Amino acid sequence: SQELEQSPQSLIVQEGKNLTINCTSSKTLYGLYWYKQKYGEGLIFLMMLQKGGEEKSHEKITAKLDEKKQQSSLHITASQPSHAGIYLCGADNAGGTSYGKLTFGQGTILTVHP
Amino acid sequence: DTGVSQNPRHKITKRGQNVTFRCDPISEHNRLYWYRQTLGQGPEFLTYFQNEAQLEKSRLLSDRFSAERPKGSFSTLEIQRTEQGDSAMYLCASSSSGGPGTDTQYFGPGTRLTVL
Repeated sequence: SQELEQSPQSLIVQEGKNLTINCTSSKTLYGLYWYKQKYGEGLIFLMMLQKGGEEKSHEKITAKLDEKKQQSSLHITASQPSHAGIYLCGADNAGGTSYGKLTFGQGTILTVHP
Repeated sequence: DTGVSQNPRHKITKRGQNVTFRCDPISEHNRLYWYRQTLGQGPEFLTYFQNEAQLEKSRLLSDRFSAERPKGSFSTLEIQRTEQGDSAMYLCASSSSGGPGTDTQYFGPGTRLTVL
């Protein structure tokens, strides 16, 4: 089965600092999703990556999928307290038999101090 | 624009009781998923429906768990004879069937279950 490892597990930064969260897969990634979760709430979709080398940006958040499609990174530029939360990467194992099912990493807890 | 809704948001029950949760997906979505999330972990897949057909169930879904989607719209997840280990956040998501890697899952706010 596919496993996703996120690093770091937690991150504390000062407002205005840049940061990167990584997501590494044990298998080829056919669809890689980034979500954000506030404690005790549901997941908010951020971005989806499919192609090797793909990069997408939304506001101050940029996500990349490496050429080999086994690692993704999420980069936040000039972090703000509103960026605080839990960031989760999820993989769609559509290349196998589990069509549409997502396997998630354990999450990265981001704290941004004003 | 109505997103995925879940009810109740919180449920506290005593061990051995039955509980039922409801999920209303985004109206045009034909796929519906249930996940379970425990503290400090990412969501774990439980089951999924395409229209009214339950197409996959995880080994996490013991005999005490049953899910239905009778008319291909809303879904219910029932847990019988609850155990303390069932305490978790139960998340529902929905998507359209746009093909591999193209159908984004949108999540509801979750139902937090506490079994005393």
